Amino acid sequence: AQRVTQPEKLLSVFKGAPVELKCNYSYSGSPELFWYVQYSRQRLQLLLRHISRESIKGFTADLNKGETSFHLKKPFAQEEDSAMYYCALRSSGGSNYKLTFGKGTLLTVNP
Amino acid sequence: ETGVTQSPTHLIKTRGQQVTLRCSSQSGHNTVSWYQQALGQGPQFIFQYYREEENGRGNFPPRFSGLQFPNYSSELNVNALELDDSALYLCASSFRGPGPEQFFGPGTRLTVL
Repeated sequence: AQRVTQPEKLLSVFKGAPVELKCNYSYSGSPELFWYVQYSRQRLQLLLRHISRESIKGFTADLNKGETSFHLKKPFAQEEDSAMYYCALRSSGGSNYKLTFGKGTLLTVNP
Repeated sequence: ETGVTQSPTHLIKTRGQQVTLRCSSQSGHNTVSWYQQALGQGPQFIFQYYREEENGRGNFPPRFSGLQFPNYSSELNVNALELDDSALYLCASSFRGPGPEQFFGPGTRLTVL
């Protein structure tokens, strides 16, 4: 069974501080990992995916297969980063490309 | 290009009733996935439709059923509603395959009294 764990329900930082949102996963195969973000009153949208290995809005995430983690990081948080962040896993095999989500972390960036 | 749309926005039903939720996929997308998001939880996969056939199902009872139409729009039907069915129901569309991104709709908020 595949599982995604986000240990922090809430995370509060000050503007300009580094931020790290934790994500651990459990999956026997080779997963695809994603971070989704939901800003206030907006729909869920993809922030980044591990296979792209790109930085979006200053955020990066590295897949660590040894630690089964995919933590989201940003060196200098901005107020507009305040949002709900979900880590998600997609199985690489089979014909069903469902996403398994964590429970989410609400990030608040204070001025 | 039109994004994923869902209707209705909000819905209130009583226990035991039946409900139908609708989703129009993004232009060109042929796969639709439905998710249930209970309060304080992440979205949970219900099922996926591709070419009008169910293509995978999560841990939901048979009273959750769906349809996909030739234009790739989709319906989620829930029979014999229970209080625990109160949630935000999300629809996501994509091209079929491991690579494509799933684009989410705004959701339908269902309240069961």
